[in-house]
Amino acid sequence: DGGITQSPKYLFRKEGQNVTLSCEQNLNHDAMYWYRQDPGQGLRLIYYSQIVNDFQKGDIAEGYSVSREKKESFPLTVTSAQKNPTAFYLCASKGGRAAGELFFGEGSRLTVL
Amino acid sequence: SQELEQSPQSLIVQEGKNLTINCTSSKTLYGLYWYKQKYGEGLIFLMMLQKGGEEKSHEKITAKLDEKKQQSSLHITASQPSHAGIYLCGADRYGGSQGNLIFGKGTKLSVKP
Repeated sequence: DGGITQSPKYLFRKEGQNVTLSCEQNLNHDAMYWYRQDPGQGLRLIYYSQIVNDFQKGDIAEGYSVSREKKESFPLTVTSAQKNPTAFYLCASKGGRAAGELFFGEGSRLTVL
Repeated sequence: SQELEQSPQSLIVQEGKNLTINCTSSKTLYGLYWYKQKYGEGLIFLMMLQKGGEEKSHEKITAKLDEKKQQSSLHITASQPSHAGIYLCGADRYGGSQGNLIFGKGTKLSVKP
């Protein structure tokens, strides 16, 4: 079945270490997004990519980096520069008839010890 | 910048009761999206509203967009335990169809059997 796969689902890291979260989709969608979710904060956009080899900063890009070398893949790296990296990270791609109909992965929960 | 405010933040209802969740925008909405999220999982698209006065229904869930296009409501009739989760409204921030959404902070719904 088509969908978005995020891995790992749970991740623990020590402070100061870089971490890469994987996001793969087989929906043939051009656009992909990374959101961060914190309790009581809703979803905040980190980075997005409308097409391969191109990506744009979202509202909270500092301390994060992405790449989009393939249409299917949009990995997110949480660097040591991110001051408060513990959060739930959601990857999405855009498709469907509705302009804003995003398809979401199951999320990755990162805990920095 | 545009902001979406949801109310209430949380809601506990008895099974079988009706309920309403509201989403208010600080600017005119060009597209309003409702999503549902189960705790620790990704978001599931429910429906999209674009035109002032528009109303859509899916099973026992009805969403409306007011005439001024600044407020939307989500109404659940005869709630069931399967309706429990977090409901989020989202809006396209540029008034276009880029899929670059902002989200409200969500409304947590619990349904008591």
